[in-house]
Amino acid sequence: DTEVTQTPKHLVMGMTNKKSLKCEQHMGHRAMYWYKQKAKKPPELMFVYSYEKLSINESVPSRFSPECPNSSLLNLHLHALQPEDSALYLCASSLRHNEQFFGPGTRLTVL
Amino acid sequence: AQKITQTQPGMFVQEKEAVTLDCTYDTSDPSYGLFWYKQPSSGEMIFLIYQGSYDQQNATEGRYSLNFQKARKSANLVISASQLGDSAMYFCAMREGNTGNQFYFGTGTSLTVIP
Repeated sequence: DTEVTQTPKHLVMGMTNKKSLKCEQHMGHRAMYWYKQKAKKPPELMFVYSYEKLSINESVPSRFSPECPNSSLLNLHLHALQPEDSALYLCASSLRHNEQFFGPGTRLTVL
Repeated sequence: AQKITQTQPGMFVQEKEAVTLDCTYDTSDPSYGLFWYKQPSSGEMIFLIYQGSYDQQNATEGRYSLNFQKARKSANLVISASQLGDSAMYFCAMREGNTGNQFYFGTGTSLTVIP
């Protein structure tokens, strides 16, 4: 299995909702990442997990809460988001921090 | 200072021709990696090619080659025999050091292949 999967593909939520994004990989990668990407911009790193431990949080607001239950799974819990949080959320994984393999992303719209 | 610079916001190329997408980088770390990704309109980031800072030879992957000029700190992507399916956004990226928390993307180049 050489892919990263993300669910859901699309998500529309209100500012008071709580939702979660899910990412899964079965390549044995021990590093996993969350990125946020606005249209026509490069991805912005949000969180890095290395061996299931959060190793970096790029000053992301607390309304985004990551979770890494095991080495194959990465979640991003969303609560009280703002319309400006609407973006493509990309998950990636890598072996020893070499090339990152990305999932297809979740297109999030916050109303 | 920008870690990765892509100076071409948009490029056009005739089908079957070769095209070079420019990328320069800035780091003082002797250990780094350089990557190119393709992002079609569907949104998925597709890994294309990788060059390590200690690699002696330029990386090649099928129709993709990386023109690595270490002294000039450039890592241009060359796509040979362009196809219509190559139309996409292309991002140059760099991993600085050996940890994953220093991974930088350039602003991207939008490539359009003309039939």
